[in-house]
Amino acid sequence: DGGITQSPKYLFRKEGQNVTLSCEQNLNHDAMYWYRQDPGQGLRLIYYSQIVNDFQKGDIAEGYSVSREKKESFPLTVTSAQKNPTAFYLCASTPTSTDTQYFGPGTRLTVL
Amino acid sequence: SQQGEEDPQALSIQEGENATMNCSYKTSINNLQWYRQNSGRGLVHLILIRSNEREKHSGRLRVTLDTSKKSSSLLITASRAADTASYFCATPNSGGSNYKLTFGKGTLLTVNP
Repeated sequence: DGGITQSPKYLFRKEGQNVTLSCEQNLNHDAMYWYRQDPGQGLRLIYYSQIVNDFQKGDIAEGYSVSREKKESFPLTVTSAQKNPTAFYLCASTPTSTDTQYFGPGTRLTVL
Repeated sequence: SQQGEEDPQALSIQEGENATMNCSYKTSINNLQWYRQNSGRGLVHLILIRSNEREKHSGRLRVTLDTSKKSSSLLITASRAADTASYFCATPNSGGSNYKLTFGKGTLLTVNP
């Protein structure tokens, strides 16, 4: 099956802990994205990467970090510096030179 | 600030009725997309309309684009309970990058059986 997978589906974290969300795609897409969605809100861009070993900050990058060591993988780390991390996190990818994004199923992070 | 804003924020209709959602944006675009999100799931791409197109159809979906008014509408005809979802419009980053999208806050559509 081709597509984007995110794991875990649900994640619980204690305050002060870092946590890493996984995003993997086998679509051979070049660009990958991380979004945050709060209840009743749209998507806000955290980080994006257009090629391996390169990534750029989005609109709300503070308290988050990413890596892009492989084309297929774009993990997101939510650090203890993120003051309000409870949210739904969505990963997406897109082929080069197109605007259509393909989304994973999301990870719901709850800070206890 | 948001590039795209959907209207209304919420819409409740009966099965079989048509549903119309609107999106307004602020800067010039070369295309506009609509996505759907079922509760607790990822977004699914529905349709893309280019700036030189006025109308586009896909099954029960009809999208219009009026670049002079900087607005788009999504019409779902003969709605079904399974159409219940949030619908988002998305436009390319106003800075010109084709690799970033800005999403509106969405319209929550409820189709009652």
